[in-house]
Amino acid sequence: DQQVKQNSPSLSVQEGRISILNCDYTNSMFDYFLWYKKYPAEGPTFLISISSIKDKNEDGRFTVFLNKSAKHLSLHIVPSQPGDSAVYFCAASVTNFGNEKLTFGTGTRLTIIP
Amino acid sequence: DTAVSQTPKYLVTQMGNDKSIKCEQNLGHDTMYWYKQDSKKFLKIMFSYNNKELIINETVPNRFSPKSPDKAHLNLHINSLELGDSAVYFCASSQGGGPRGETQYFGPGTRLLVL
Repeated sequence: DQQVKQNSPSLSVQEGRISILNCDYTNSMFDYFLWYKKYPAEGPTFLISISSIKDKNEDGRFTVFLNKSAKHLSLHIVPSQPGDSAVYFCAASVTNFGNEKLTFGTGTRLTIIP
Repeated sequence: DTAVSQTPKYLVTQMGNDKSIKCEQNLGHDTMYWYKQDSKKFLKIMFSYNNKELIINETVPNRFSPKSPDKAHLNLHINSLELGDSAVYFCASSQGGGPRGETQYFGPGTRLLVL
């Protein structure tokens, strides 16, 4: 019973264009969402997060959009750069005073084509 | 100056052995976690500790025993290793104690292979 789903296992995007990674969730109790980036043989690196009280959060080239009614979030990277090639994990949690467990999606492998 | 570190990075061992993985964070965080990434690349929570106290235990076999000597360390001891324990184990930490969701920071992972 996967509560966080990333239905695209891979995505290829031309350098300079926009990359859009999608994530769907089923648990309506989730109120905090994160995106992590992972290179091979390394741990996940935090990228950007969004609280359920917002519908958009922006940090440089990265923007996360949250659509609570559709239980959907997306990560936009613009412009895409070769160094963005990695596996991107969507994660969600239910606020519990810092004792949250992250529920992860299965990841999307993003390849930026020079 | 690594924020969350794990040792060893690779661990190859025989079935039935007992092994430990160590984790240390120098971020001053109160909460630490262990996650397992299986062969399907699915990352799943195993345990969390807040200030040396067990908070989350996600139906993990009791062959797995976390130990937190202080809030900067969370070690994972595994008894009687089985083939299915082969995975990548990630340690993470977060500030903890706040009224809202917290960002967790991950270590580089320990790749365990049980033969």
